[in-house]
Amino acid sequence: RKEVEQDPGPFNVPEGATVAFNCTYSNSASQSFFWYRQDCRKEPKLLMSVYSSGNEDGRFTAQLNRASQYISLLIRDSKLSDSATYLCAVESGGSYIPTFGRGTSLIVHP
Amino acid sequence: NAGVTQTPKFRILKIGQSMTLQCAQDMNHNYMYWYRQDPGMGLKLIYYSVGAGITDKGEVPNGYNVSRSTTEDFPLRLELAAPSQTSVYFCASSARLAGDEQFFGPGTRLTVL
Repeated sequence: RKEVEQDPGPFNVPEGATVAFNCTYSNSASQSFFWYRQDCRKEPKLLMSVYSSGNEDGRFTAQLNRASQYISLLIRDSKLSDSATYLCAVESGGSYIPTFGRGTSLIVHP
Repeated sequence: NAGVTQTPKFRILKIGQSMTLQCAQDMNHNYMYWYRQDPGMGLKLIYYSVGAGITDKGEVPNGYNVSRSTTEDFPLRLELAAPSQTSVYFCASSARLAGDEQFFGPGTRLTVL
């Protein structure tokens, strides 16, 4: 099993839809979790950190499920501008350096 | 603040040539990283540094070298370029090693022919 796995998609959704992505990780000792957004031909930028209790930032909600070893990102009321690749990053207990998933592509259409 | 800057933006190399990818940050971050990203793939760690004078290998270090003589700069050296090194290279920095946001540079697109 790969250390961090994501469904590459693409997820093709209409404006206004709700869409959710999951990211599974293999190391149960993982401590820190992040979602990054990467626009086409641009660098990744932090979207949000994922806390044990879950966290919300506007239309975006991130959750952690330690028992099943995955994090999720929920986007409500999708906008055209949400079209991007969403990378999850998981820090394992040993090196503290995050391992990135391959990303999930989201395309929001009119 | 400029954040993390990288030069050049694009480069085409011939097989066997060498080059240095430059990376600088002005946020006084101790931790710096080099990643490569192949099409449709995630970021793979090449090398990282926890401070001036200290570097360590990541997941895919073969064919690369780094140095960290100052807090600000973290150049990546490619020796004897090979087609397998065709990729987008991102430099990143963070204030802390654990649990902290990484700030990325705009990337260098390298093609080896």
